[in-house]
Amino acid sequence: DSGVTQTPKHLITATGQRVTLRCSPRSGDLSVYWYQQSLDQGLQFLIQYYNGEERAKGNILERFSAQQFPDLHSELNLSSLELGDSALYFCASSVGLAGVPDTQYFGPGTRLTVL
Amino acid sequence: ELKVEQNPLFLSMQEGKNYTIYCNYSTTSDRLYWYRQDPGKSLESLFVLLSNGAVKQEGRLMASLDTKARLSTLHITAAVHDLSATYFCAVDMLTGRDDKIIFGKGTRLHILP
Repeated sequence: DSGVTQTPKHLITATGQRVTLRCSPRSGDLSVYWYQQSLDQGLQFLIQYYNGEERAKGNILERFSAQQFPDLHSELNLSSLELGDSALYFCASSVGLAGVPDTQYFGPGTRLTVL
Repeated sequence: ELKVEQNPLFLSMQEGKNYTIYCNYSTTSDRLYWYRQDPGKSLESLFVLLSNGAVKQEGRLMASLDTKARLSTLHITAAVHDLSATYFCAVDMLTGRDDKIIFGKGTRLHILP
């Protein structure tokens, strides 16, 4: 158990819909990362937050957005869903001191299926 | 364009043997990560390499980084069945707002007992 929790574990929805994925980092970790894993695209980095502020942005679509709240949990919002958005979405957390890359601890993931 | 290439993509090996997984990348970076993923599971961080010549070891796994050659290796010594998994390298290219972490396609390692 990494200490990172993600909800829900599974999500099935229809094209065009909007969903929210939730991540609670390990106690004391200030950085949260979001990743997408699919058979077509492999593993992709989406976005990173540090202590409530966006720190780095990867291949995140405009239809997707994220935020980190004052209690440090994070949410990834996916809207206007398409079939190709079906994937595993992982979040990870790290201590995140002073921008130095450090060990990330991954949550169990949310499996999103878009029908 | 930043590309990260791993090879081999699939490796089947006998227990007790040594082998190396290679991770080549196309753009200057001095930040590289190795991860392990078991089938149907999440990712586990193995190593964070932050400078040229960095070498880290954990058990039968040793990772190194040569930033001049843009190459990282993950060496497996005397493989055991429990090391069967998919291994990913990822390169961190921090360039301000367009920061990117790019993953390789992964190396599926199957260790035969």
